[in-house]
Amino acid sequence: DAKTTQPNSMESNEEEPVHLPCNHSTISGTDYIHWYRQLPSQGPEYVIHGLTSNVNNRMASLAIAEDRKSSTLILHRATLRDAAVYYCIRMNFNKFYFGSGTKLNVKP
Amino acid sequence: DTGVSQDPRHKITKRGQNVTFRCDPISEHNRLYWYRQTLGQGPEFLTYFQNEAQLEKSRLLSDRFSAERPKGSFSTLEIQRTEQGDSAMYLCASSSRGTGADTQYFGPGTRLTVL
Repeated sequence: DAKTTQPNSMESNEEEPVHLPCNHSTISGTDYIHWYRQLPSQGPEYVIHGLTSNVNNRMASLAIAEDRKSSTLILHRATLRDAAVYYCIRMNFNKFYFGSGTKLNVKP
Repeated sequence: DTGVSQDPRHKITKRGQNVTFRCDPISEHNRLYWYRQTLGQGPEFLTYFQNEAQLEKSRLLSDRFSAERPKGSFSTLEIQRTEQGDSAMYLCASSSRGTGADTQYFGPGTRLTVL
């Protein structure tokens, strides 16, 4: 199956780090891993992407396992605005394969 | 604001009617994608265009569905003889290069309800 596997939901306290896991055991060597998030009634929003090396940007960090069969999105300090559904995506031949996403709840 | 717009945002129709949705991508983007998202699920790929050429269609895109991008700018997605199972959010996205490292920018979606 080309889709990724993620926990249905996770909870975090505000100002604390959050680690969102993703399994993509069938990933091929040229597939990129993308993470997007989606708020209710909105389209998905880009968060970060990578191929083999860990990646950092202003929003988050992406840690990719050495065998590339899993990855973890890291939000360093969760805020209430980070509450959303986070999707881990395989990009294969220009197509995105979404998982069912992790709903992140951030508690004040 | 991602720059991708979709119209209408909501559409309610009766079973058997035809509906058409429009997507306006970011102006310099040559790739345009359509996805369908049902409640509680991630989006699923339907089709994509490079300029005006439709390069791939998913098996989800039955013969009742047709997509066009006549001048390589905006795109339309038409569903003929709608069924209740077509009720979903239809998302459009665009990108500039279409490589694995490319970011797709999504519009807000069109929510279709078939009664």
